[in-house]
Amino acid sequence: QKEVEQDPGPLSVPEGAIVSLNCTYSNSAFQYFMWYRQYSRKGPELLMYTYSSGNKEDGRFTAQVDKSSKYISLFIRDSQPSDSATYLCAFTNYGGSQGNLIFGKGTKLSVKP
Amino acid sequence: DAGITQSPRHKVTETGTPVTLRCHQTENHRYMYWYRQDPGHGLRLIHYSYGVKDTDKGEVSDGYSVSRSKTEDFLLTLESATSSQTSVYFCAISESKAGGPRDTQYFGPGTRLTVL
Repeated sequence: QKEVEQDPGPLSVPEGAIVSLNCTYSNSAFQYFMWYRQYSRKGPELLMYTYSSGNKEDGRFTAQVDKSSKYISLFIRDSQPSDSATYLCAFTNYGGSQGNLIFGKGTKLSVKP
Repeated sequence: DAGITQSPRHKVTETGTPVTLRCHQTENHRYMYWYRQDPGHGLRLIHYSYGVKDTDKGEVSDGYSVSRSKTEDFLLTLESATSSQTSVYFCAISESKAGGPRDTQYFGPGTRLTVL
């Protein structure tokens, strides 16, 4: 079983749609859960950061973590063409042997006007 | 890009030649990382540094070496480049690895390397 799985898409939605992006993971030691956004030919930038289970909202973005199911989601409400990017989930194991980030492969999102 | 620059931004080289990529930060962060990003593989850690002259291997370190002689600079060297090292290379920095927001990694703009 892969440590992190993320559907690569591509995902194409009309402007204004609600977008759901998901990742599953197998390492129960992961404690910090992140979503990075990467525009074409740019470096990834941190979008959302959550610790443990629950929801976190920031404007049109909501990050959800379900540790019991080892499943995290990013919801984008009222999606805009400027949201078109690749979204990467990332995990880290605080206190682990290296504590380095483990990334999903990314989901490419296209929001059509 | 959080005070991170990478040079060169693009490079084409031939198999067997040495290549050095440079990452420079102005944030005085302790941790610096080198990743490669390839289709179908995502971001994979090559090496990282937790201080001047302190480095460690990541997931895909074979064929790469690193050096950090100053806080602000982290160099990635391909001693003898191969076509399998054609990739986009990203440098990242973080203030801490203690967990929490200070553990956030900030990425540079990337270097596109093509090995012919």
